[in-house]
Amino acid sequence: GAVVSQHPSWVICKSGTSVKIECRSLDFQATTMFWYRQFPKQSLMLMATSNEGSKATYEQGVEKDKFLINHASLTLSTLTVTSAHPEDSSFYICSAAAFASGYNEQFFGPGTRLTVL
Amino acid sequence: GENVEQHPSTLSVQEGDSAVIKCTYSDSASNYFPWYKQELGKRPQLIIDIRSNVGEKKDQRIAVTLNKTAKHFSLHITETQPEDSAVYFCAASSGGSYIPTFGRGTSLIVHP
Repeated sequence: GAVVSQHPSWVICKSGTSVKIECRSLDFQATTMFWYRQFPKQSLMLMATSNEGSKATYEQGVEKDKFLINHASLTLSTLTVTSAHPEDSSFYICSAAAFASGYNEQFFGPGTRLTVL
Repeated sequence: GENVEQHPSTLSVQEGDSAVIKCTYSDSASNYFPWYKQELGKRPQLIIDIRSNVGEKKDQRIAVTLNKTAKHFSLHITETQPEDSAVYFCAASSGGSYIPTFGRGTSLIVHP
């Protein structure tokens, strides 16, 4: 399957700071990238869907000003958690897909563990 | 929107037994149903998927069945092994939006 990388794999930051997480599709062009949040022992919660070159579509209840998503190229999407607080601590996972090719499959990154002190 | 229900939330079996996880969906337009396996702290990995034009698909010890009329699909794992222990997620998406909706997950524990 296709390879998706995510950086960093873990990050610890102080409350009030901003954290940027990168998601890259290494061997294919991803027309669509998804950002998920996962709490311990829970399912994947879709935060937003981003298509290359356009604004991200956020799910209900997700603050777009707090979780800034940029999908500037077909291989890179970034999620910036602005003014992070302890309740933002979670496992953030991205996934990438090439739906334009007619395939539904999405490929997940390894995730980023964010801890806000 | 789509709603996916997954049962059971926890499944404990003995090595060698079979395991079945069931999901139902609400949107009749959904046509793609993947299953993911997620080990602790790792990314979800696609293990098998099925499209709405097929009723059953098998890959070695893993099989998925789909009943479009009843809007449910199931994952079957035969001859379970301890390394099958993980959380399994079902999902459903339609060709229109491609956005998948995930089930809540099933924690499968295979006892040696």
